[in-house]
Amino acid sequence: RKEVEQDPGPFNVPEGATVAFNCTYSNSASQSFFWYRQDCRKEPKLLMSVYSSGNEDGRFTAQLNRASQYISLLIRDSKLSDSATYLCVVKTSYDKVIFGPGTSLSVIP
Amino acid sequence: DARVTQTPRDKVTEMGQEVTMRCQPILGHNTVFWYRQTMMQGLELLAYFRNRAPLDDSGMPKDRFSAEMPDATLATLKIQPSEPRDSAVYFCASALGALDSVYTDTQYFGPGTRLTVL
Repeated sequence: RKEVEQDPGPFNVPEGATVAFNCTYSNSASQSFFWYRQDCRKEPKLLMSVYSSGNEDGRFTAQLNRASQYISLLIRDSKLSDSATYLCVVKTSYDKVIFGPGTSLSVIP
Repeated sequence: DARVTQTPRDKVTEMGQEVTMRCQPILGHNTVFWYRQTMMQGLELLAYFRNRAPLDDSGMPKDRFSAEMPDATLATLKIQPSEPRDSAVYFCASALGALDSVYTDTQYFGPGTRLTVL
């Protein structure tokens, strides 16, 4: 089993739709969690950190469930510009960072 | 607007040749990561440095890959000899990590070096 797994993609959704991605991790000692976004042929960029209490940034909401060892990302009112690959990132211990395989999202007009 | 720079952006070479990729981290960042990304494997961590010292290079094939930080403004990843299976995009990322913290600040990625080994 991979240390970090994500929903298989691609997700094709119409503009304005709400879409949710899940990510599971195997190491219960994982310390911190992030979502990165990667556009086609570009580098990954931090989208948001995931806090224990859950956090929101505009149309994006991240949740963490330590008991079930999963992280979610919810995107409301999808825009064309949200089309990208979303990478779940887990930090297990001092600087050991693992990227998930990514979930591809295409927002369709 | 501080950013990580990488050179070259694209490299096509023949099997057996030496390849050197360079990275300039953001000024003041003390942690540098090297990643490799392929369609099949996704993003894999090859090695990372803290204050120029290698902390973990377990993800790197030791027989042909080597990573160094000659100074705080330059990180290099070398492949010798290169093989077709090394074809991938190689990313460098830097972060301002705290020595006594289990939390790592945001990683800022460079644009990557797209390597093709024929």
